[in-house]
Amino acid sequence: SQQGEEDPQALSIQEGENATMNCSYKTSINNLQWYRQNSGRGLVHLILIRSNEREKHSGRLRVTLDTSKKSSSLLITASRAADTASYFCATDGGIQGAQKLVFGQGTRLTINP
Amino acid sequence: EPEVTQTPSHQVTQMGQEVILRCVPISNHLYFYWYRQILGQKVEFLVSFYNNEISEKSEIFDDQFSVERPDGSNFTLKIRSTKLEDSAMYFCASRFGAEGEKLFFGSGTQLSVL
Repeated sequence: SQQGEEDPQALSIQEGENATMNCSYKTSINNLQWYRQNSGRGLVHLILIRSNEREKHSGRLRVTLDTSKKSSSLLITASRAADTASYFCATDGGIQGAQKLVFGQGTRLTINP
Repeated sequence: EPEVTQTPSHQVTQMGQEVILRCVPISNHLYFYWYRQILGQKVEFLVSFYNNEISEKSEIFDDQFSVERPDGSNFTLKIRSTKLEDSAMYFCASRFGAEGEKLFFGSGTQLSVL
């Protein structure tokens, strides 16, 4: 299975602190994506990092990718209460023309005001 | 921003009944997907659809499931004879290209099988 595994499963921090979530996967990839899900809602794309990239930034988000360890991390800096959500990594299995994304179990992030 | 829309938002059905979940993907997208999520847990791939045919399906997507794109806008998931374990949130998603592009998800249909 190429499925990603997020770690930790749940994370609770104080507003203003940084939140780090990790993802490990099993197969090769073309790219890895992170998505956010508010409770009871659909997933929303946050950021994509390609297999030849090591780090990417978008606003308060920083994603790293280590293909030798088959792992990625998502850092949210200066967290806000509105960041409370579940965060999922998704991989494409590294197959050319691959169409599906496979999602991990997710990390439930709670930001306490 | 364009949206993927799903109807209904909630569906309650009796075991053994047929249900059809409906989705309107973003208009210029070419790749369509159904995923499901049980009780806020992992998001599971069901099926991908491109060029009017299924391109990949998971083990979950057995003979009880089917998908259709009956016209240029709708994309449906049919469950022929629902089971209790089909109770889940079903998400439709679409994207323009296959690789290196993000998925756009609908808000989901919560299916409850009684």
